[in-house]
Amino acid sequence: AQSVTQLDSHVSVSEGTPVLLRCNYSSSYSPSLFWYVQHPNKGLQLLLKYTSAATLVKGINGFEAEFKKSETSFHLTKPSAHMSDAAEYFCVVIPIQGAQKLVFGQGTRLTINP
Amino acid sequence: KAGVTQTPRYLIKTRGQQVTLSCSPISGHRSVSWYQQTPGQGLQFLFEYFSETQRNKGNFPGRFSGRQFSNSRSEMNVSTLELGDSALYLCASSALTGSNREQFFGPGTRLTVL
Repeated sequence: AQSVTQLDSHVSVSEGTPVLLRCNYSSSYSPSLFWYVQHPNKGLQLLLKYTSAATLVKGINGFEAEFKKSETSFHLTKPSAHMSDAAEYFCVVIPIQGAQKLVFGQGTRLTINP
Repeated sequence: KAGVTQTPRYLIKTRGQQVTLSCSPISGHRSVSWYQQTPGQGLQFLFEYFSETQRNKGNFPGRFSGRQFSNSRSEMNVSTLELGDSALYLCASSALTGSNREQFFGPGTRLTVL
């Protein structure tokens, strides 16, 4: 079955330093992969998605992710963290081609230190 | 354009009762999906509706059901509530169905079962 594993439940960085949130996936076919962000008491917002067009995907708010098939990874990065980036981040895969069913990782809570 | 709306935002019920949650998708969106979010199990897919038809279903007991109306609004119902049903229930809509379609999430309904 298709799934994602987020390697860190909590990441803490200082404002202005790089952010790396790690995600590995398992899939028997070329997957559709997403990163979503959830701010406290708010719904989920799509940061970016990979759908095989390009391995380096740029998203909103300066985030990007690189699809590495050889490593089955889809890590999320940002060059410089901002206080407003503090939130929960979810790596997501669609396990059934053509379906809307999203399978979420367990989430990574990102804390930004001033 | 208004986003996805969910009502009510907060709900308190007791064991054995039933509950109905409502979701209004973005205007023009025809696909509505439901997810349950709990601290222990994370985000899990409940079901998806498209043009009033259930297209996919997650691994939840039959106490969880849903429907979609001709105006694309959707409701989900949970009967014979259990303590473990306490969760944030998220609704997401997309313009069409299919794995590459971005899903837009509502703020959720927080259900507490006492």
